[in-house]
Amino acid sequence: GESVGLHLPTLSVQEGDNSIINCAYSNSASDYFIWYKQESGKGPQFIIDIRSNMDKRQGQRVTVLLNKTVKHLSLQIAATQPGDSAVYFCAENSGANSKLTFGKGITLSVRP
Amino acid sequence: KAGVTQTPRYLIKTRGQQVTLSCSPISGHRSVSWYQQTPGQGLQFLFEYFSETQRNKGNFPGRFSGRQFSNSRSEMNVSTLELGDSALYLCASSLRGSGNTIYFGEGSWLTVV
Repeated sequence: GESVGLHLPTLSVQEGDNSIINCAYSNSASDYFIWYKQESGKGPQFIIDIRSNMDKRQGQRVTVLLNKTVKHLSLQIAATQPGDSAVYFCAENSGANSKLTFGKGITLSVRP
Repeated sequence: KAGVTQTPRYLIKTRGQQVTLSCSPISGHRSVSWYQQTPGQGLQFLFEYFSETQRNKGNFPGRFSGRQFSNSRSEMNVSTLELGDSALYLCASSLRGSGNTIYFGEGSWLTVV
């Protein structure tokens, strides 16, 4: 399938290592944050979310950290697998609506 | 439970034509949003519909429009197509309000020639 975001920064990791993907957001009023994974030819897939009253949330093999002081969000993937190779986007939301503002995206490449 | 369904998946149009894209949200979701994704601009918000009313609009020209039906299904229309409208158009649905997970469909790939 086709892919978008062809000129994104790339993070290359060895299979089995942990990955950390970082994101800076701009709106200090944002109160909800989501990480999405997008594989070639597909739509963004929800990974994990966090609200602004939390600073850490864990899922299966993934952890999201939120630092509101410096407006920074990170996604940690434990024991990275080849199937984790994709483009990752952070998105922020504020207010009683469903509008998301997306970051530029980072390509994660897993070396076997 | 079925996910967000978008049709058509791929289409090719000629400059000056118009196009209509369709989106069926997840059952029970009444908020539907549309996004445009291009390599140069990334993912950009087009508009959001809730209860058949447009609630938010992004910074796109008036050629881009949409609507929502009483069953929450939504359509977006682009008139007088330009080459720069070639993109992946994504639909997302959720229960409305901050903090509700927003799920995306697989998108409609539009190529304008």
